[in-house]
Amino acid sequence: GAVVSQHPSWVICKSGTSVKIECRSLDFQATTMFWYRQFPKQSLMLMATSNEGSKATYEQGVEKDKFLINHASLTLSTLTVTSAHPEDSSFYICSATSFDEQYFGPGTRLTVT
Amino acid sequence: GESVGLHLPTLSVQEGDNSIINCAYSNSASDYFIWYKQESGKGPQFIIDIRSNMDKRQGQRVTVLLNKTVKHLSLQIAATQPGDSAVYFCAEKVSGNQFYFGTGTSLTVIP
Repeated sequence: GAVVSQHPSWVICKSGTSVKIECRSLDFQATTMFWYRQFPKQSLMLMATSNEGSKATYEQGVEKDKFLINHASLTLSTLTVTSAHPEDSSFYICSATSFDEQYFGPGTRLTVT
Repeated sequence: GESVGLHLPTLSVQEGDNSIINCAYSNSASDYFIWYKQESGKGPQFIIDIRSNMDKRQGQRVTVLLNKTVKHLSLQIAATQPGDSAVYFCAEKVSGNQFYFGTGTSLTVIP
């Protein structure tokens, strides 16, 4: 089956710094990737839709200047959390679509101290 | 998203029993649904899907039922095993390739 990877799997950073998370589709090309955030014991919340070569579409309430998304190629999308604060600590999950199915990455745990 | 994250409901079942996990979806125009399993600290894994032109679909030990009248999905797991313990989410396709996730249910299998 299709494989999606994320890097890093866990990152701890200090408040005020920026963190970049990578999402790669390893064995297929994904014109669309999605970024989700998940708080403990909660569901996945869609943050943004990332289309290769164009600007990301953000869900209502998600700050586009804080969560920068770049989808430079058909196999890579990046999410940069700028000026991270403790409330940004969460599990960030990307997915890539192939036809109708979504394939999820393993997630990145962000802890902001 | 249309489905808002809440604290997860829980379901405990004895090993070997059948499990039924329910999900209500929000958009009557949604035509494709997926059930995912998520183990702690991992991304969601695809279990089974169903299109709106079907009422029922069966996989290995799992069955998904779709009731479009009341916008309800259920996932039935037969002969539940300890390895089935996880959080289960339903997801509805709302547009293009966008999916919104339901609240999720935490399933615990008691040996």
